[in-house]
This record gives sequence, C-alpha cells and structure tokens, in this order.
Amino acid sequence: DGGITQSPKYLFRKEGQNVTLSCEQNLNHDAMYWYRQDPGQGLRLIYYSQIVNDFQKGDIAEGYSVSREKKESFPLTVTSAQKNPTAFYLCASRLNTDTQYFGPGTRLTVL
Amino acid sequence: AQSVTQLGSHVSVSEGALVLLRCNYSSSVPPYLFWYVQYPNQGLQLLLKYTSAATLVKGINGFEAEFKKSETSFHLTKPSAHMSDAAEYFCATSTGANSKLTFGKGITLSVRP
Repeated sequence: DGGITQSPKYLFRKEGQNVTLSCEQNLNHDAMYWYRQDPGQGLRLIYYSQIVNDFQKGDIAEGYSVSREKKESFPLTVTSAQKNPTAFYLCASRLNTDTQYFGPGTRLTVL
Repeated sequence: AQSVTQLGSHVSVSEGALVLLRCNYSSSVPPYLFWYVQYPNQGLQLLLKYTSAATLVKGINGFEAEFKKSETSFHLTKPSAHMSDAAEYFCATSTGANSKLTFGKGITLSVRP
C-alpha cells in the first residue's frame, strides 16, 4: 500500500527538549518537504530536499533541522531553539512532476 | 515573488447551495495553481490543479475551478454543496514542476443542513 506515513500522530514535548518527527514514503518520490501549519496562517515551508544527501532551508527553518540519508525518509528535528514549536507538522513528497502529496500530519504540543 | 490571497477565513452555505471559494494569485511568470482540501486533523488532499492546459479544470468530488489570467484568479466552485464538503480549503501556486508551493491562508467551509 503506497503512501506517505508520519509518526507519531500526536507528540508532547517539554520545554528545552529536542524531538524528531518521522516522515517515510514508499512512492519512490525524489523530493520531500516539511511544512508547519498554524491556525489561520496556511502552510509555511520549513525545509525541503530534492535529492538524497541534499536539503535546503525554507521560509521558517530557524530552530529546525533535517537529514536525507535515504530516499524514503526525511526526519525533522524540532530543537530547543524553536521558541514556539506547538503546531501541526505536515510532510509532503513529489516525483518529477508538479504535484505534492501530503502525509497525515503530526500534532506537536509543548507542555 | 509569488503570493496567494484567499479573502475571508470562513464561508457558510446551505446544503444543496452553490459553493464559491475565491483565490487570487500574484506571479511574475505563468503560474501552476492548485486547490487542496483538509479535513480535521488530517493531511492535505489534492482537489484539482491547473498547469497551463485547459483553463476550466475539473477535480474530484464535483469541484471545478477556472483560471482567469485577466483577473489573476482561480476560484473554486461546486454547484451543490454536500455536508461532507465541510473542511478547510487551500489554494496554492508554484512557478513550475520543480518549484516550491506558496499557500494561501485557507478558507473553512461550513455546510448547514
């Protein structure tokens, strides 16, 4: 069953902790993306990767880090430097076309 | 730089009524345009896309959108709303197949019985 999976669905973090959100795809897509969604603000791009072992900052990369060691995986780490991390995080992927396909999302809450 | 404007944050219609969700874009090059739908606590699902072929684009669930270059618009319509259409809708634009998406802020559609 092909698709994009994100885990966990819900994540709670204490202030000062780093957390890593998982994104996996078995669609053989080249490009992968991480977005942050806040109420009334749409989606904002955090990081993206066009190929393995390469990634670029998006519009709001501060306080986040990523890696792309495998084509299928693009984990996002929310570091303690991110001052307001509570949000809904969406991962997407794209083959060599114009359309991005989205995972189900992870809701991160800072306690 | 590209931008997308979705006026208003909430639209409410009666079941069976016309749905019209507005989207205006700004782009220095011919744009690619997309409408996505998001149900609560879920990811985004592609409804339809315009990539410089036919200006009237038909999508899933009975939705369609028309690209009007003179008005820089790509409004989403559905002739008859169904309760299951209640969701948040996002318009997005890019400049080509390998470029980033720029999203509007989204519009929440409510459907009254």
